[in-house]
Parts: sequence; structure tokens; C-alpha cells
Amino acid sequence: SQQGEEDPQALSIQEGENATMNCSYKTSINNLQWYRQNSGRGLVHLILIRSNEREKHSGRLRVTLDTSKKSSSLLITASRAADTASYFCATANYGQNFVFGPGTRLSVLP
Amino acid sequence: GAVVSQHPSWVICKSGTSVKIECRSLDFQATTMFWYRQFPKQSLMLMATSNEGSKATYEQGVEKDKFLINHASLTLSTLTVTSAHPEDSSFYICSASRTDPNTEAFFGQGTRLTVV
Repeated sequence: SQQGEEDPQALSIQEGENATMNCSYKTSINNLQWYRQNSGRGLVHLILIRSNEREKHSGRLRVTLDTSKKSSSLLITASRAADTASYFCATANYGQNFVFGPGTRLSVLP
Repeated sequence: GAVVSQHPSWVICKSGTSVKIECRSLDFQATTMFWYRQFPKQSLMLMATSNEGSKATYEQGVEKDKFLINHASLTLSTLTVTSAHPEDSSFYICSASRTDPNTEAFFGQGTRLTVV
């Protein structure tokens, strides 16, 4: 069954603006990961945050995790047209496979 | 970083034929690989877990006789879509990860299957 649920499902912003995507999940997790997928391509790992971490940064990416609310957010700062893609959160519990949310389709307009 | 190679990247086949998709982990041994299916504008749905040296574990609703999985070595898993039909047309993606659960999964580039 689907574990993560992202919102919004689609987001359109101007280049230079920040983009925020949220993910909620239902069961306990070991970690939560964000992936990016360009149209018709495989997934690229962006960032992993463990269940005992609250915030993590990687370049223009900032991920937060609130295990009490079972939610996470991905912030992309100073967005670029090349950031246009679908973004998925995936949750993992020890020894189990990843469960992906429905994804957020981000469009960054030049 | 680790790389997972998936082949072919796209394939068109006639209805009733079988198609084999390969997934290779290039620089680490993967005792477990995963096969996902993705419909347009939708998320990835896990089809099955491929276990090296043993039978695959299929998710509910996935026909094991139709989607044959073989994980003959620590670096290769194959998915064979048997007697393909147009409704099997989809994007298939494999992934592999190290045994440490706190590491990322590495994904193949996906295979676009079109059954005509």
C-alpha cells in the first residue's frame, strides 16, 4: 500500500523562487528519502534523512523530518529551469523495501 | 557512487511475445533487488523483491507466472514479461541497495515497454 503522500501533486513556479514539497507517511520508518525523476527516466537520489534527524541540507536542498507528525518537507531554494522534474519521497523501515509516494510534478518556468 | 544498469531502455514487442529486462549492479553485490512498475504521471509501485538464489517475493496482485524474476547472481536480476499484452505496456524500473538500510537505493534508468 502507498505509504508516502506528497503534496502538492503539481507545482509551477518562476525561476529563482523557492519550491516546497511535503510528504506524509503512515507507519514508523527507519529513514525517509527524496528522489527526483526526469520525464521517462530513472530515479536519482537526492537526500536521505534518518528517523533521529530533524533537518538536513545538501546544496540548494533542505529536508525536514517530523516523526511526531509523520511528515517531511523538501525545499529547493533559488530554483532553476533544470529543476523541473517529478519529486518523490520514499520511506524505508529496517529490512523492508522502499515505498514511494505519488510524487510532486515541479515545473520551473524561465 | 554505485551504479545500477538496466537494459534495454526501451522495447517494442508484439502481443503474445515475451520480453526480458536485465538489471545489473555494477560495483556492489546486491543480494536483493526490487522491480517497480510506473504508469504515466504516477508513482512507482513495487512489483516484486528479487532475492539472489531463491524465489522472488511478489506483491499482492502481481502475477508471478506472468512476470518471471530470476536473480541468478549477486549482480544480475532479470524480469521477463511473458505473453505480453498491450496492458503490460509501462515503465519498469529496478533498484538495488546495499545491506545497510540507512543507505540510498540506486535505480536503473528504466525500461519503456510498449506492446503492440
